[in-house]
Amino acid sequence: RKEVEQDPGPFNVPEGATVAFNCTYSNSASQSFFWYRQDCRKEPKLLMSVYSSGNEDGRFTAQLNRASQYISLLIRDSKLSDSATYLCVVNALDTGRRALTFGSGTRLQVQP
Amino acid sequence: NAGVTQTPKFQVLKTGQSMTLQCAQDMNHEYMSWYRQDPGMGLRLIHYSVGAGITDQGEVPNGYNVSRSTTEDFPLRLLSAAPSQTSVYFCASSKNDLSGAKNIQYFGAGTRLSVL
Repeated sequence: RKEVEQDPGPFNVPEGATVAFNCTYSNSASQSFFWYRQDCRKEPKLLMSVYSSGNEDGRFTAQLNRASQYISLLIRDSKLSDSATYLCVVNALDTGRRALTFGSGTRLQVQP
Repeated sequence: NAGVTQTPKFQVLKTGQSMTLQCAQDMNHEYMSWYRQDPGMGLRLIHYSVGAGITDQGEVPNGYNVSRSTTEDFPLRLLSAAPSQTSVYFCASSKNDLSGAKNIQYFGAGTRLSVL
């Protein structure tokens, strides 16, 4: 089983739609959580950190459920420019590596 | 405002050749790492470093060497290139925050490597 699992998609949605991505992680010692965005043939860039109480940044809302070990990302009022791959990322400090573990990503295509 | 700089952007090698992928950051970050990204596999950690003179292996270290003689530079060496090393390579850096909450990684633009 992968440490971080995501539905690869693609999710094809019309402009203005609301779309949600889920991500599950297997390491219960995971300490911090992030969503990164990666455009085609570009490097990943931080979209937002995910906090225990949930957090919002404009049209984006991230939630964390430690008991069920999943993270979600909700995008409201989708724009064409939201088309990208969204990477779920967790950081576990007990591996001795102190490194991020990336999911394979969920591809979003927003259509006009 | 350079951030993380990787060179070269593209490289084609023949099986058995060696080469070094360069990575430099100007943010005074302690932590640097190398990932490879293959279709459907996500990013996998090759090697990482928590400071000058300190390196350690990641998930897929075989066939790669690293060194960290300065805070700024973290080169990745392919000892004897194999077709299985065809991939996109990303270098990243971050502060070495123990809690991980501020462990936001900044990536270079990537090196696209093909091994024939």
